[in-house]
Amino acid sequence: QVQLQESGPGLVKPSQTLSLTCTVSGGSISSGNYYWVWIRQPAGKGLEWIGRIHTSGNTNYNPSLKSRVTISADTSKNQFSLNLNSVTAADTAVYYCARDISGDRFDYWGQGTLVTVSS
Amino acid sequence: DIQMTQSPPSLSASVGDRVAITCRASQSIDNYLNWYQQKPGEAPKLLIYDAYSLHSGVPSRFSGSRSGTDFTLTVSSLQSEDFATYYCQQTRSLPDTFGQGTRLEIK
Repeated sequence: QVQLQESGPGLVKPSQTLSLTCTVSGGSISSGNYYWVWIRQPAGKGLEWIGRIHTSGNTNYNPSLKSRVTISADTSKNQFSLNLNSVTAADTAVYYCARDISGDRFDYWGQGTLVTVSS
Repeated sequence: DIQMTQSPPSLSASVGDRVAITCRASQSIDNYLNWYQQKPGEAPKLLIYDAYSLHSGVPSRFSGSRSGTDFTLTVSSLQSEDFATYYCQQTRSLPDTFGQGTRLEIK
């Protein structure tokens, strides 16, 4: 059973960088045809795809965030990370990590972590 | 980006009812359409993938169908645990996009 767990600061100041890590257990992030994905959800709103990293290391980002986003992986720790710079209040949301099977569907999700951008 | 339009935004129904939620894509996405269920304070859960296929462990009262760029999630007989918000997602082209959600409430 694959499990994902997000971690990172719950409060980030405006203009600073939001950094989150997703720790994966029950499966390796460097094997299989999987993408490891970040999604966010502002309170009371819908889901927004942020970007993904493939087991090969290739990345894709949402064009709406591309200039501010970096997703990376640390295979030795079986973790992947999200960095979002120059944050504003509009980046306040619950951030989820998930596993994407072959770019087709998200079958495992983390529980989500709330990040608030405020001074 | 491909726009996904869900309807209705909210729906009231009773246990035992048959309900349908629709998602329309702004362009062809073939069968690259998934449905998720989300309960308050929880992560979304995959229900249906590739328009028709039932994800492992999901009750058979959930089903998906397609007509052109219109997709439907049907629950044949609502149970109390089905009251939640439902989202569609297209994975035909990046960025993946989601519908705005349909909140299914108890009548």
